[in-house]
Amino acid sequence: AQTVTQSQPEMSVQEAETVTLSCTYDTSESDYYLFWYKQPPSRQMILVIRQEAYKQQNATENRFSVNFQKAAKSFSLKISDSQLGDAAMYFCAYRRGMYSGGGADGLTFGKGTHLIIQP
Amino acid sequence: NAGVTQTPKFQVLKTGQSMTLQCAQDMNHNSMYWYRQDPGMGLRLIYYSASEGTTDKGEVPNGYNVSRLNKREFSLRLESAAPSQTSVYFCASTTRRARRDEQFFGPGTRLTVL
Repeated sequence: AQTVTQSQPEMSVQEAETVTLSCTYDTSESDYYLFWYKQPPSRQMILVIRQEAYKQQNATENRFSVNFQKAAKSFSLKISDSQLGDAAMYFCAYRRGMYSGGGADGLTFGKGTHLIIQP
Repeated sequence: NAGVTQTPKFQVLKTGQSMTLQCAQDMNHNSMYWYRQDPGMGLRLIYYSASEGTTDKGEVPNGYNVSRLNKREFSLRLESAAPSQTSVYFCASTTRRARRDEQFFGPGTRLTVL
């Protein structure tokens, strides 16, 4: 079974600085997707960014980018120019792809990293 | 569009009581999911429904049953609630054509079992 590990329970960063959240995963599949979800105090789960395993190019969404190291099974999230609104729990998640038999699979989540933004 | 809606938002039960958590989506999605989130943990999959008429167990199905009532609605039932089922429950939905393969989540139901 696949596992997702987030080794940083909490991170703190100054506003406008850059922070990197770590995630490692374990899978024997070749086709899969990786995600970062944000959960603010409202509890709403919000998709931040997504990476397809077969794509070598790292995904980028505005101030958010990932460093996807497939061989090392590492998927870190970089937040540039941190803003107060970025304060939240961040969850790394994995899902098998269709070609690995995971067409409608649910997500496997890590335990999360609590990101604090210092003004 | 309301997206994914869940009822109730909060519930307190006594051990042994039963209840059903309701979930509905208005995005015409094929697949629906139930997760639970415990303190200090990520979400864990309880059950999912790949399409109308099908349901499958996830990582933590014991003590739960589900019904995919139609394409819009997917309910989660606790037949005999236990304190270990105290959690926040999230429903989610998606479709193969969803941009970024995104699962859309409801606001959650906070359940306390005394």
